[in-house]
Amino acid sequence: DTAVSQTPKYLVTQMGNDKSIKCEQNLGHDTMYWYKQDSKKFLKIMFSYNNKELIINETVPNRFSPKSPDKAHLNLHINSLELGDSAVYFCASSQAVTGGIYNEQFFGPGTRLTVL
Amino acid sequence: AQTVTQSQPEMSVQEAETVTLSCTYDTSESDYYLFWYKQPPSRQMILVIRQEAYKQQNATENRFSVNFQKAAKSFSLKISDSQLGDAAMYSCAYSRDDKIIFGKGTRLHILP
Repeated sequence: DTAVSQTPKYLVTQMGNDKSIKCEQNLGHDTMYWYKQDSKKFLKIMFSYNNKELIINETVPNRFSPKSPDKAHLNLHINSLELGDSAVYFCASSQAVTGGIYNEQFFGPGTRLTVL
Repeated sequence: AQTVTQSQPEMSVQEAETVTLSCTYDTSESDYYLFWYKQPPSRQMILVIRQEAYKQQNATENRFSVNFQKAAKSFSLKISDSQLGDAAMYSCAYSRDDKIIFGKGTRLHILP
């Protein structure tokens, strides 16, 4: 069984469209994340949710909005897509942070978004 | 703010040889975790090895080991007996509280 899954795997769309990427984890984790990987493979955190509550919101355009209907899901919605949004987006999950010490993150397979 | 630096964008090693990937970080904290992640061409991020900062003993996982120098804030990864399947992007990461910070990665090529 897949631990962290993302759909779709590939997404090609026109500039200006609105699209969503879904993420689900079956590990029973409390915390989920979205990362953006640029063309040079640098992974940068965008958002983090703990038990459906936003705990990290890095400097990303407000066209990006995460939605967490329950702690097993963290979807990423992007409005008015731009060329610069083209990248691979990774979802990840981990146990809740305890005592200030971080736990291992489990990553999804990634979604390659191409904006034309 | 914490930072993670990987100074080697690309490296190559002959199959069966040993290679060391370097990583330095900057933090004022004393308790934290350090990781090495591997990302093969298939893109799936995989945890290679983890080190707790309060442990002096270097972590080891089969052919993978680290040299953790806390005072120097250095966390290098050694891969012994390199195999073709080790070819990937390797990212060093620092984590504490709710955040994980990745370095820019080192692309490792294995030469047959």
